[in-house]
Amino acid sequence: DAKTTQPPSMDCAEGRAANLPCNHSTISGNEYVYWYRQIHSQGPQYIIHGLKNNETNEMASLIITEDRKSSTLILPHATLRDTAVYYCIVRVAIYSWGKLQFGAGTQVVVTP
Amino acid sequence: SAVISQKPSRDICQRGTSLTIQCQVDSQVTMMFWYRQQPGQSLTLIATANQGSEATYESGFVIDKFPISRPNLTFSTLTVSNMSPEDSSIYLCSVVLNHSIEQYFGPGTRLTVT
Repeated sequence: DAKTTQPPSMDCAEGRAANLPCNHSTISGNEYVYWYRQIHSQGPQYIIHGLKNNETNEMASLIITEDRKSSTLILPHATLRDTAVYYCIVRVAIYSWGKLQFGAGTQVVVTP
Repeated sequence: SAVISQKPSRDICQRGTSLTIQCQVDSQVTMMFWYRQQPGQSLTLIATANQGSEATYESGFVIDKFPISRPNLTFSTLTVSNMSPEDSSIYLCSVVLNHSIEQYFGPGTRLTVT
């Protein structure tokens, strides 16, 4: 699975959009981009995934560049409960018939 | 979605002893995994728990240290054997539901070895 690079931390004001970047310049054509988050003292939580099209669900939006070398997770209206470590993961299997390799992630702090 | 419970939620153990952690899922799952999260670190996969056969371990993890059982489609155990302070971590169970695209994680077991 391809390696990802994320900023170690970022702050966001409550109510504003949080844009979390992820670089995956060695991604292969059959690899998906997954996002998880881990709130303190909890297990990781699935957020969203995509292959090449932009995706949106009730939690977030995922924007993947046309060359697929980078992506951005957007939390449209950040709340204090969105404070967490966010992980960008690249992997092959859409049905997760395998394992997630976690990197260091981005510590997001949402402030009032 | 899946509801995953782990027992115990936390424990403090003496060096040289062993602890067995249980993972129970409320529905049948295709795959089960065990992860470790050392203090201040990201998650590391320990092994894939295979039903009816030996677990598949990642590099750096061995069966003698982390024996795993998976007797059925909803339950698995991880034993941390002959513990040392370096084993102090959060241990998390993770599952993939049948025909699901998501991987779910349990709440974790916080282990402290003194």
